[in-house]
Amino acid sequence: KNEVEQSPQNLTAQEGEFITINCSYSVGISALHWLQQHPGGGIVSLFMLSSGKKKHGRLIATINIQEKHSSLHITASHPRDSAVYICAVRPNSGGSNYKLTFGKGTLLTVNP
Amino acid sequence: NAGVTQTPKFQVLKTGQSMTLQCAQDMNHEYMSWYRQDPGMGLRLIHYSVGAGITDQGEVPNGYNVSRSTTEDFPLRLLSAAPSQTSVYFCASSYRDRGYYGYTFGSGTRLTVV
Repeated sequence: KNEVEQSPQNLTAQEGEFITINCSYSVGISALHWLQQHPGGGIVSLFMLSSGKKKHGRLIATINIQEKHSSLHITASHPRDSAVYICAVRPNSGGSNYKLTFGKGTLLTVNP
Repeated sequence: NAGVTQTPKFQVLKTGQSMTLQCAQDMNHEYMSWYRQDPGMGLRLIHYSVGAGITDQGEVPNGYNVSRSTTEDFPLRLLSAAPSQTSVYFCASSYRDRGYYGYTFGSGTRLTVV
C-alpha cells in the first residue's frame, strides 16, 4: 500500500469551477509538499506545509496533521491549471531528513 | 539564476549502451537527488547525495551509478541500458529554509531504451 494516497486520480472541470484535490498519508511527517507538473513539462513546487493553511493566488493548501490529510484547492479554475498535481511527504522516520515519498498524482483537466 | 539544469531533454538508447544524464544546480544546495517517473506510479528515488563526496542509494538504485565531486553537479550514469529503464528522469536539489526543506526540480530527461 502506498504511503501517500491521492484522490481523485483524474478530475475534469469546467472553467471557473472550484476544485479540490485530496492527499492522505499513513506516516508521521515533518512536511508535506504540493507539486505541479504540466504535460511533458518539469515539476514545480507549489507549497510546503507543516501545519495550517497557505494561499498563493488562486491556490490554497491546507493540512490536518492529526488526521494525516491535506487538500489543494483551486478557485476560479482556468484551462492553464490543467496539469498533474502531486502530493509528497517528508517522513519523520529515521535516516535522511531530505527524502520525499510521493503520491501517484491527480490529473486535472479544465475545459473552457 | 538557472536553478536545476538537466541535459539532455530527450534520449534514445539501444539496449546495452551506457550514458550519463547530467544535472547541475547553481543555488549552492547541499542535497541533490535523482528520481524516475513511470506511468501509474509516484516518483521513485534512485540515488541521492547530502553533499560533495557523499552519495547513497534510494528506492530503485539497480543499474544506475552516481557521483558528487562538486556541490553543483550530480550526474546519473546508466551502466548498460535496459528497456525497463525507459522512463522520465528528474533531478532535484534541496535547501533548508528555517528548519524546513524546499525542493527545486529540473525539467526532466525523457529516456527511451529500445
